[in-house]
Parts: sequence; C-alpha cells; structure tokens
Amino acid sequence: DIQMTQSPSSLSASVGDRVTITCRASQDISSYLAWYQQKPGKVPKLLIYAASTLQSGVPSRFSGSGSGTDFSLTISSLQPEDIATYYCQKYNAAPWTFGQGTRVDIK
Amino acid sequence: DVQLLESGGGLVQPGGSLRLSCAVSGFTMRGYAMSWVRHTPGKGLEWVSAISGDDDRTYYGDFVRGRFTMSRDISKNTLYLQMNSLRGDDTAIYYCASRNGVIPYWGQGTLVTVSS
Repeated sequence: DIQMTQSPSSLSASVGDRVTITCRASQDISSYLAWYQQKPGKVPKLLIYAASTLQSGVPSRFSGSGSGTDFSLTISSLQPEDIATYYCQKYNAAPWTFGQGTRVDIK
Repeated sequence: DVQLLESGGGLVQPGGSLRLSCAVSGFTMRGYAMSWVRHTPGKGLEWVSAISGDDDRTYYGDFVRGRFTMSRDISKNTLYLQMNSLRGDDTAIYYCASRNGVIPYWGQGTLVTVSS
C-alpha cells in the first residue's frame, strides 16, 4: 500500500506568517490528493482536492500544489482560527490513506 | 442539506462486537462511494473502509480486514459497519463520510470504547 508522510508533525508560527506543510506519497498518485483541517473536538473539513482545487467556501489564504509524489499546503497569512491539525489524503485508489497529521498552533 | 447521522457506538469489552449505522439524508447513496473514517488522539485520522457507489464492492484498511464488514441498505439510505473481535486500539470516534474518495461530507461521529 502507498504510504503518506507529512512534515513537520507540528509547527508553531506567528499570526500573519506564511506556513507550508508537505506531504509525500511513497508512489505516484498523480493529483489525487486532498487536504483536510480538523479543529479540536470538531469534524474534519475538506480544504483542497485534486491537489490544488479550493473547496467552496474555504478562504483564499489556503492553497495547494504538487503532483506525483510531492505535495504542499500553504497558508499565506496564518490566522488565529487556523489553529488545527491538517491531514493529507490520497484517493487514487483504495485504501484512501491519510497522512499522520500536522498540528499548527500560534506562537 | 446533506446529513450523515451515526449511531451504535458505546463501550464494549475486548473481543466483543458492535454494529455502527449511518443514516444518510440529502442525497441517495446509489452512485456514491461511502467511507468510515476513525479518529484517535494518538494516530489522528485513519481511513477504515469504503463501499463503492455502483457495485457494493468493499475495501478495508489492513488493520481491520477480516474483523470489520461494511454494508449498505439503499432502500433505507443507511450505511453499516459490523465490527467484530474488537481490540483496545479500535477505541476511537468513528465517522461516516462521503462522497467518493474526496470527503466533503462528514457525520458528527460516534465514540467506540473498547475496554474491560
């Protein structure tokens, strides 16, 4: 099975900072990559699919890029409401594996 | 509006069984794949299983294969997860999720606790 590896596992940044999270697939998954945000005690929320397509209603400070095996999620200007854990997920074929998550908090 | 409503969670002893249900409203499951995803503080989100939208083919994560069985009743628009031989590391919040590989719709989750 294809493994999904995120880095870093956690980060702390200041409000307004540019934040980038990376996700690496152990095999080529083309652009079948989604990103989710999960705030503490809340249901996961879809942010991006097809590696770079922003889900309706998601703020434009979120963006995604990459294809093949290397992907990234960028928050252009970190806001207090962005405190959450972020997960990548592959969906080219089952199993639709998630990465281990990246916890983001405010410095 | 799309709603996914899970039920059936609870406390069960190791080796026991539980059956989770997910009542779907706002769309018909026919033609859409559905998933179960679980969350634990230690491992984060784990994809558990999926059922295809057209032919009821099922897929499972390695850690549940042979113990869990996913099914659906189109007439009731309801999804099921039969969980047998439960272990302590199956303790988690279980989410019903849709649609297809990308998951824009999530239920509120049901807590499964495996403990003696």
